[in-house]
Amino acid sequence: SQQGEEDPQALSIQEGENATMNCSYKTSINNLQWYRQNSGRGLVHLILIRSNEREKHSGRLRVTLDTSKKSSSLLITASRAADTASYFCATGGGNTPLVFGKGTRLSVIA
Amino acid sequence: DGGITQSPKYLFRKEGQNVTLSCEQNLNHDAMYWYRQDPGQGLRLIYYSQIVNDFQKGDIAEGYSVSREKKESFPLTVTSAQKNPTAFYLCASSIGGGQGQDTQYFGPGTRLTVL
Repeated sequence: SQQGEEDPQALSIQEGENATMNCSYKTSINNLQWYRQNSGRGLVHLILIRSNEREKHSGRLRVTLDTSKKSSSLLITASRAADTASYFCATGGGNTPLVFGKGTRLSVIA
Repeated sequence: DGGITQSPKYLFRKEGQNVTLSCEQNLNHDAMYWYRQDPGQGLRLIYYSQIVNDFQKGDIAEGYSVSREKKESFPLTVTSAQKNPTAFYLCASSIGGGQGQDTQYFGPGTRLTVL
């Protein structure tokens, strides 16, 4: 069963612009995580936000969580060509392991 | 150098053959996971193990088998019963104790192609 759903499916921006990706989910969660995947590689954990948190920052990344709307957003500020990758949200809830969404493909054009 | 490794990077198999994918970690993590990723898709959980000598089925376990005899190792066998095995397979590990909801660390993946 797939819980998180990212939007948009694909995003293309110029270097220096901000990139915003959204994740919506259906049932209550304990935490929500964002991961990055470069083409043909494994995933890399970016940030974890717990259900009682509203916002977290890590370097150029900002994640928000709105449990009333069952949604989260990932903002990458001042994007670089090296940020080109797929970004996945993963939700943890109930007694089951993380469930990953289908991802947003981000292209940053130099 | 701590991490999680998968081998081989590319694997080719003839129809009707079983094949085993290797996953090893030296992070001293209790929990390990196997995912399947198809083109343009997210990750789907095949099997996971919270502790040595124990594992549970994920969403798409049919046609796959695993073992967890050592903490460091969690091999995945793709059997001939798996009807569409061509995919990218990812192994991950986590500290554990969080019902599989803690931060996961991924290997580089194995791309399996059935000829």
